[in-house]
Amino acid sequence: AQSVTQLGSHVSVSEGALVLLRCNYSSSVPPYLFWYVQYPNQGLQLLLKYTTGATLVKGINGFEAEFKKSETSFHLTKPSAHMSDAAEYFCAVRRMDSSYKLIFGSGTRLLVRP
Amino acid sequence: DAGVTQSPTHLIKTRGQQVTLRCSPKSGHDTVSWYQQALGQGPQFIFQYYEEEERQRGNFPDRFSGHQFPNYSSELNVNALLLGDSALYLCASSVTGGGPNSPLHFGNGTRLTVT
Repeated sequence: AQSVTQLGSHVSVSEGALVLLRCNYSSSVPPYLFWYVQYPNQGLQLLLKYTTGATLVKGINGFEAEFKKSETSFHLTKPSAHMSDAAEYFCAVRRMDSSYKLIFGSGTRLLVRP
Repeated sequence: DAGVTQSPTHLIKTRGQQVTLRCSPKSGHDTVSWYQQALGQGPQFIFQYYEEEERQRGNFPDRFSGHQFPNYSSELNVNALLLGDSALYLCASSVTGGGPNSPLHFGNGTRLTVT
């Protein structure tokens, strides 16, 4: 069964430091991949989505994700953290067959220290 | 352009009762999906509606049912509520013709508390 694993339920960085949030998927065929962000008491907002053939995907708010097929990974990064980046981040996958559902990871809460 | 709207924002019910949650999709979207997000977890797929029919269902019991109306809005009904049904219920809309890589647009959710 398709699944997605996010390593680290909490990640803490200093303001201005590099942000790295990890996501690995379990599939021999790369699925459709997404990163969403959830601010407190809000729904999920799309940060970026994987585009077939790309290795580096750029999203909103300065975030980007690198697709590595050999490592079945789609890690999210941002060069310099801002206090406003503090939120919950979810990696999600959708199978390439006729499945319509998104399968979400358990999420990583990003804490940004001043 | 209004995004996905959900009502109510909060709801408190007693075990055994029934609840109805409502969702209006983003303008131009024809597909509605419902997700359950328990505290500290990622959202779990409940089902998806398209052309007023349930197109796919996740691993949820029959107590969870839904409906889609001709204007694409949708309802989620949960019968015989259990304490474990307490969660944030998220509605997401999309365009079927946008392809499988088309992202979902989420509402802010309905926080259901079962006591």
